[in-house]
Amino acid sequence: NAGVTQTPKFQVLKTGQSMTLQCAQDMNHNSMYWYRQDPGMGLRLIYYSASEGTTDKGEVPNGYNVSRLNKREFSLRLESAAPSQTSVYFCASSEASKGGEQFFGPGTRLTVL
Amino acid sequence: GENVEQHPSTLSVQEGDSAVIKCTYSDSASNYFPWYKQELGKGPQLIIDIRSNVGEKKDQRIAVTLNKTAKHFSLHITETQPEDSAVYFCAASGTNAGKSTFGDGTTLTVKP
Repeated sequence: NAGVTQTPKFQVLKTGQSMTLQCAQDMNHNSMYWYRQDPGMGLRLIYYSASEGTTDKGEVPNGYNVSRLNKREFSLRLESAAPSQTSVYFCASSEASKGGEQFFGPGTRLTVL
Repeated sequence: GENVEQHPSTLSVQEGDSAVIKCTYSDSASNYFPWYKQELGKGPQLIIDIRSNVGEKKDQRIAVTLNKTAKHFSLHITETQPEDSAVYFCAASGTNAGKSTFGDGTTLTVKP
């Protein structure tokens, strides 16, 4: 099992450009999450999906959109990137019925110039 | 919503010493308290967790304690080793889609 995979690993954008971060999990988990990690601020939840077909805002959703394409895949889109969105983005998945542990991907390091 | 505070933000110990990281939470409905370790350039990984019906849990050199009344929980690492150097996050969650609120992290450095 690959666990949680994310693409790309690194990305540099110019202000105003758009891009989609991809995430996939092969553990048959119902719930998936997108976080951003900034220095000294821990992990902040952007959006989550409790199950296929549902998405909800987290703590910092402004400037982002998400799509739960199917049970495996959960993508994060930046429509018009801003320098404040420079961060490391992590995708995670969990299965509440199996305990609640979240499994994280390796992260995407995004720089917006 | 839930608020989790974690202290200290940095911790430096000598190899072989113990390390303690503390967290407090605000929502009495939270019932699951995991601890994650994040090594440089990687995603966080679960190292131990505890549920609200248990006061203490131990796994080799790592232990977690929970005080529900005071709404705080702690991570204890004994006989620290250089490979324990990493960022540690506490989290708290209830039943809402397994959503967790994370603390801001503690950077632990173990000096040989």
